Amino acid sequence: LAKTTQPISMDSYEGQEVNITCSHNNIATNDYITWYQQFPSQGPRFIIQGYKTKVTNEVASLFIPADRKSSTLSLPRVSLSDTAVYYCLVVPSGQAGTALIFGKGTTLSVSS
Amino acid sequence: GAVVSQHPSRVICKSGTSVKIECRSLDFQATTMFWYRQFPKQSLMLMATSNEGSKATYEQGVEKDKFLINHASLTLSTLTVTSAHPEDSSFYICGIKRDIDGYTFGSGTRLTVV
Repeated sequence: LAKTTQPISMDSYEGQEVNITCSHNNIATNDYITWYQQFPSQGPRFIIQGYKTKVTNEVASLFIPADRKSSTLSLPRVSLSDTAVYYCLVVPSGQAGTALIFGKGTTLSVSS
Repeated sequence: GAVVSQHPSRVICKSGTSVKIECRSLDFQATTMFWYRQFPKQSLMLMATSNEGSKATYEQGVEKDKFLINHASLTLSTLTVTSAHPEDSSFYICGIKRDIDGYTFGSGTRLTVV
């Protein structure tokens, strides 16, 4: 599994856009990129996933350059409730029995 | 996505006793479930992969005789912490993978051993 590197922590203010970049230099051709959010004392929650270019859903956007060696999670206009740990993971596709291996994640703190 | 129910959400037990944590897949038949442990301010650490109808696969360093996993049906996996000690106090999380929409996790169980 490709190793990921992301900032340990980030600070932001309400209403700002937050971009969290993750590097995954050893990503394989069949791997896709997925991001999860975790609040204290809760299980991780899926945010977004993608293979290449740009993916957008109702809560975030994911930007993946052509070489796929990095990805950026973009959270538009964050609020206090977005304070959480965000995990970037690289996952082989089509392997149902493969567990997610979590790195340290990025602790995002949003202030008013 | 799939719905995963984990019970209990929190439990306090005395040192030396055993505690069972249940993980249910409510709308998906999961042949594989994953168990994680998370200590304060740390990331999730994979403990074992639970396989329906067969033995679980444990990660290196995880004592299989201490953390008993039973996956007797496609919707239920249990983790029993035997002879619990204070160092076993942690947040335990189960998860499943569904090809269609990725991984879904339970809400976790906070175990405190006193």
